[in-house]
Amino acid sequence: DARVTQTPRHKVTEMGQEVTMRCQPILGHNTVFWYRQTMMQGLELLAYFRNRAPLDDSGMPKDRFSAEMPDATLATLKIQPSEPRDSAVYFCASGPDMRMFSTDTQYFGPGTRLTVL
Amino acid sequence: DQQVKQNSPSLSVQEGRISILNCDYTNSMFDYFLWYKKYPAEGPTFLISISSIKDKNEDGRFTVFLNKSAKHLSLHIVPSQPGDSAVYFCAAGGGNFGNEKLTFGTGTRLTIIP
Repeated sequence: DARVTQTPRHKVTEMGQEVTMRCQPILGHNTVFWYRQTMMQGLELLAYFRNRAPLDDSGMPKDRFSAEMPDATLATLKIQPSEPRDSAVYFCASGPDMRMFSTDTQYFGPGTRLTVL
Repeated sequence: DQQVKQNSPSLSVQEGRISILNCDYTNSMFDYFLWYKKYPAEGPTFLISISSIKDKNEDGRFTVFLNKSAKHLSLHIVPSQPGDSAVYFCAAGGGNFGNEKLTFGTGTRLTIIP
């Protein structure tokens, strides 16, 4: 049963510290997404990769957030420096190439719950 | 600018009755719509989808209705069961990124009362 995995599941850190969240997409999926879940905005898209190339990171605060895919099996989301307002649940999702209007979908990992004190 | 809106943060329904969750969208480029279900401490999971060429799609107890002219979709669950208690997210895709990039709503927490 193929799944998206995320580490760590929980992270508590102090304001100003660097936070790195990791994601392993489903093997064979060539799109990866990072979302942040907040009460006010629901699931906000932070970054979107296809074939490891960033396509859209317009939802991500550029001054402190960065997203990369060092290889096809690993996606990372970094926050430096972290702030209390970054406290949220961060989800990674992966999916197949759906540019040709496939009716497949995205598959989500279990999330990383981040608390910045 | 919330392009996908779920105006009801929560909904409570008696077990066995119909649950109706609503979603509105503003972007006319959207042509593919999905519902995801999320349990606590888990990631969202896909539930059902509908393409804009249809106005209804049914899968067991779940039916999604699409009204393109009103830019409105709804999810019907009949009959509702305790295991349906979860947060439901509406999502939409289409336009330049095809169905790849999805815009999500804020979610509706459904509680089924035994």
